[in-house]
Amino acid sequence: GQQLNQSPQSMFIQEGEDVSMNCTSSSIFNTWLWYKQDPGEGPVLLIALYKAGELTSNGRLTAQFGITRKDSFLNISASIPSDVGIYFCAGFTSGNTPLVFGKGTRLSVIA
Amino acid sequence: DSGVTQTPKHLITATGQRVTLRCSPRSGDLSVYWYQQSLDQGLQFLIQYYNGEERAKGNILERFSAQQFPDLHSELNLSSLELGDSALYFCASSVGTTGAYQETQYFGPGTRLLVL
Repeated sequence: GQQLNQSPQSMFIQEGEDVSMNCTSSSIFNTWLWYKQDPGEGPVLLIALYKAGELTSNGRLTAQFGITRKDSFLNISASIPSDVGIYFCAGFTSGNTPLVFGKGTRLSVIA
Repeated sequence: DSGVTQTPKHLITATGQRVTLRCSPRSGDLSVYWYQQSLDQGLQFLIQYYNGEERAKGNILERFSAQQFPDLHSELNLSSLELGDSALYFCASSVGTTGAYQETQYFGPGTRLLVL
């Protein structure tokens, strides 16, 4: 099936630092979604991207749909302790294909 | 709160048993999706229902089945359970526009299944 390569696998950062993570694929995607999952909870949608080149913000979060349509990145600015969790990228390729998820980036914030 | 509800939150059972997981989608959503999340596999799509009918199938075992009822809630039935079925099971829902398979999905809180 389709594979999304998400990196880094984990990050340890100091509170107040900016964070960047990305997702790449060998296939073209026509939708990119970024989710955050807290321990024991379901993924929560953070940002949805529908157009190549699109740059969308949600508070301190910014995500971009890559021009090649094969990648996306998520930036978190001025991290705070509640940013801790696992961030997943997900996307749809062309055709009637199910949503594909990356393996997640585990973020730890040190106060 | 996504508006998607799942019950039970936790389930402990023995190998060989059968369990039923329940999901209620967001108000107005017609599509329901089931996912399995295990430590080493990430989130794996199992099956999708749209307005009562099966729409798409992913990596769902033959021992697993699902259905969506007229009130749009859905149930995932897992039978002949094995140790490896222990995982988090998530339900998600989307608006479900006819013919649109690829819509933004909103996830429930999950059911944690432990098979002993």
